[in-house]
Amino acid sequence: NAGVTQTPKFRVLKTGQSMTLLCAQDMNHEYMYWYRQDPGMGLRLIHYSVGEGTTAKGEVPDGYNVSRLKKQNFLLGLESAAPSQTSVYFCASSYRGGPPGGTDTQYFGPGTRLTVL
Amino acid sequence: DAKTTQPTSMDCAEGRAANLPCNHSTISGNEYVYWYRQIHSQGPQYIIHGLKNNETNEMASLIITEDRKSSTLILPHATLRDTAVYYCIVRVALFFSSGSARQLTFGSGTQLTVLP
Repeated sequence: NAGVTQTPKFRVLKTGQSMTLLCAQDMNHEYMYWYRQDPGMGLRLIHYSVGEGTTAKGEVPDGYNVSRLKKQNFLLGLESAAPSQTSVYFCASSYRGGPPGGTDTQYFGPGTRLTVL
Repeated sequence: DAKTTQPTSMDCAEGRAANLPCNHSTISGNEYVYWYRQIHSQGPQYIIHGLKNNETNEMASLIITEDRKSSTLILPHATLRDTAVYYCIVRVALFFSSGSARQLTFGSGTQLTVLP
């Protein structure tokens, strides 16, 4: 199993450009997530999906869109990139989100390092 | 989610046990203790989690005190590849009962350096 993979690994954009980050998982996980990690900020949830065809907003969704057309793929789009979106983006997946009080274990991809000039 | 306190950094000799402490004095009854680590320039990696009892898997052991206010992650035979930032996270499930999600808050963690 490859686990969670992300493409591309690195990208440099100019302000106003658009791009799509691809996340793929081969673990048959229902739930998938996009996070961004900035120095001193920990991980912040951008969007997540609880199943094929469904998406929902996380903590910092503005400026991003997502799609989950296939169970194994979760796409993160930047419509008009801004320097504030310079960050490392991590995708994760889990078998289930867990009921209240239950547990969930997230498996992360290697990350995409995005720089917006 | 309960706040956690971890030392900023620790060193450990290769081959020895690494014991990483975490204080979570405000933990509530339905909150789990999770440990993740992040090796430089890589994605976070799940290590282990527990609620009340001590847990062990192929990577590590988790010791939770009886009052659940602190825990220790033990890497029994540390290797150079275990050098990473280790995060102790105390939380309930990701999703609220309403179905909305909240983030996995990693905090600043402990930088473990395994020395040859």
